[in-house]
Amino acid sequence: DVKVTQSSRYLVKRTGEKVFLECVQDMDHENMFWYRQDPGLGLRLIYFSYDVKMKEKGDIPEGYSVSREKKERFSLILESASTNQTSMYLCASGGGSGTEAFFGQGTRLTVV
Amino acid sequence: LAKTTQPISMDSYEGQEVNITCSHNNIATNDYITWYQQFPSQGPRFIIQGYKTKVTNEVASLFIPADRKSSTLSLPRVSLSDTAVYYCLVGDTLWQGGKLIFGQGTELSVKP
Repeated sequence: DVKVTQSSRYLVKRTGEKVFLECVQDMDHENMFWYRQDPGLGLRLIYFSYDVKMKEKGDIPEGYSVSREKKERFSLILESASTNQTSMYLCASGGGSGTEAFFGQGTRLTVV
Repeated sequence: LAKTTQPISMDSYEGQEVNITCSHNNIATNDYITWYQQFPSQGPRFIIQGYKTKVTNEVASLFIPADRKSSTLSLPRVSLSDTAVYYCLVGDTLWQGGKLIFGQGTELSVKP
């Protein structure tokens, strides 16, 4: 089974902290994605990457950056966490001969 | 990517067949239609994908008319565990630097 693993299920951080959310996939997928999900707003794409060291902005990249140093790992970085970044963060990967994306279990981040 | 429109919510009862329709009037020739399911506090999960006519798997059927401007996800004999949000996505290959964009989804509530 394809596995996409996010480093934390729940996270509480203080305003102004630098926050790292890690995502690892075990299927050698080229493509990886970061979303946030908020009630009433659905899933919104923050960043995606189609290759190592390659990244593209999604619909809401402001306040975030990403890192893809290795194929299996895609990190989301909140440079200076703010309360409006409290959300559920979901990582996904996909590629190869398949056409579906596989999601992690999500990280519920609370910024206080 | 083609914009999609789905009902915000639907109610059903156990044992009924549920049909969720998605409109995608500006679908392109190379676009596929993909459906995902999301349970609370989990990441979305791929259900089914099709290009035209009908596709069936162990979970659902997908009906696509000849003009491909809409599609219908059919869930046979739903149970309480089918209560979830269902997303319709339309786009060509996701693996050429393409985005994976989710709409608002349809919240299906199955009652006993």
